[in-house]
Amino acid sequence: DAGVIQSPRHEVTEMGQEVTLRCKPISGHDYLFWYRQTMMRGLELLIYFNNNVPIDDSGMPEDRFSAKMPNASFSTLKIQPSEPRDSAVYFCASREGPLGNQPQHFGDGTRLSIL
Amino acid sequence: AQSVTQPDIHITVSEGASLELRCNYSYGATPYLFWYVQSPGQGLQLLLKYFSGDTLVQGIKGFEAEFKRSQSSFNLRKPSVHWSDAAEYFCAVGGMNNQGGKLIFGQGTELSVKP
Repeated sequence: DAGVIQSPRHEVTEMGQEVTLRCKPISGHDYLFWYRQTMMRGLELLIYFNNNVPIDDSGMPEDRFSAKMPNASFSTLKIQPSEPRDSAVYFCASREGPLGNQPQHFGDGTRLSIL
Repeated sequence: AQSVTQPDIHITVSEGASLELRCNYSYGATPYLFWYVQSPGQGLQLLLKYFSGDTLVQGIKGFEAEFKRSQSSFNLRKPSVHWSDAAEYFCAVGGMNNQGGKLIFGQGTELSVKP
């Protein structure tokens, strides 16, 4: 079975540029989560979707960040304009079902470096 | 407030020795508890989960964890560590009263294994 697929695996870009991270959840999973991981703050939930609808975006750090899920098999996290402090590893995860007792399945992450 | 504490940032054990990683949680309802492992450059892989029932749960790679409600703990154990177990380990808590089943992660414990 294919797991959660994220692209690109690595992204290096200059400050001020637009960055788009992509995620393909596991087929049949109706919940999708975006996380950011840094040494200082650990794993932070940015936003999550249920059936393609954003449910909770309270973790999105500021208006420069936006996320969309146009269909059940694709989501994007966009940063515009990017800043050096956005450098982190961004993970996407998906889960089947609404219950909290279902495990989340994580992608391998996108390592983002903003110069 | 809901939180997860992993008191040990870094632990070093000798190969073949036993291991216990500590996790304490604060949660207002019946918790669902998880342990994930992250190898360098990879996403988080689920080791085991506790939902209900037997408080001693078995996971992959020879790991087990015990849920102790009175101590609000969910410590991870392994009787004999292998060099390939070197990684970062995350404890997480979720539950039905946590909208959408969001997970709250601890800060992680980095495990090093001495030959």
